[in-house]
Amino acid sequence: SQQGEEDPQALSIQEGENATMNCSYKTSINNLQWYRQNSGRGLVHLILIRSNEREKHSGRLRVTLDTSKKSSSLLITASRAADTASYFCATAGSAWDTGRRALTFGSGTRLQVQP
Amino acid sequence: DTEVTQTPKHLVMGMTNKKSLKCEQHMGHRAMYWYKQKAKKPPELMFVYSYEKLSINESVPSRFSPECPNSSLLNLHLHALQPEDSALYLCASSPGPSSGANVLTFGAGSRLTVL
Repeated sequence: SQQGEEDPQALSIQEGENATMNCSYKTSINNLQWYRQNSGRGLVHLILIRSNEREKHSGRLRVTLDTSKKSSSLLITASRAADTASYFCATAGSAWDTGRRALTFGSGTRLQVQP
Repeated sequence: DTEVTQTPKHLVMGMTNKKSLKCEQHMGHRAMYWYKQKAKKPPELMFVYSYEKLSINESVPSRFSPECPNSSLLNLHLHALQPEDSALYLCASSPGPSSGANVLTFGAGSRLTVL
């Protein structure tokens, strides 16, 4: 079942602009991850943030996590045409240590970066 | 080797056919997953194998039958499918319960069309 919602559902920007995507989730989490999917292909892991972290950076990516609001955001700075893809947040629930080791994905944001 | 390999890439089958999807990884991962993804939707978890044992079955119809012959291989046997089962089937793997976080490595997917 789907854990949360992402907004916007679709985002179109020009190359060089920043893109911000938001993710909300419903239950307590162990960690939150962001994945990217090019059209019709598999997903690629981008970044993971743990429940006790508030912000994390990786290259042009910045992720924030607010566990009190059950929300996260992904910022891609200085976007490129090659960043065009769908972006999904995914959560690992608090049942992690009991063996329920599976990720639940948000609804996704389709990003189009115009050259 | 940091890949998950899925075969076939495309499969067209009739509702009375029996076919199988295959997935292979050589990263030493001990957890393997099947996800189903419909167009413009997030991946939905179907099955999780942990140390070659089925640990999660998300109430998937019996016309889908998973098999994990060894720690590197995962199969999904298909029989008497319905047209609504047409989707992208994604295999993924992760290090397993002993790791601190569950980062998934996905295959490129098998695009299934049921006529």
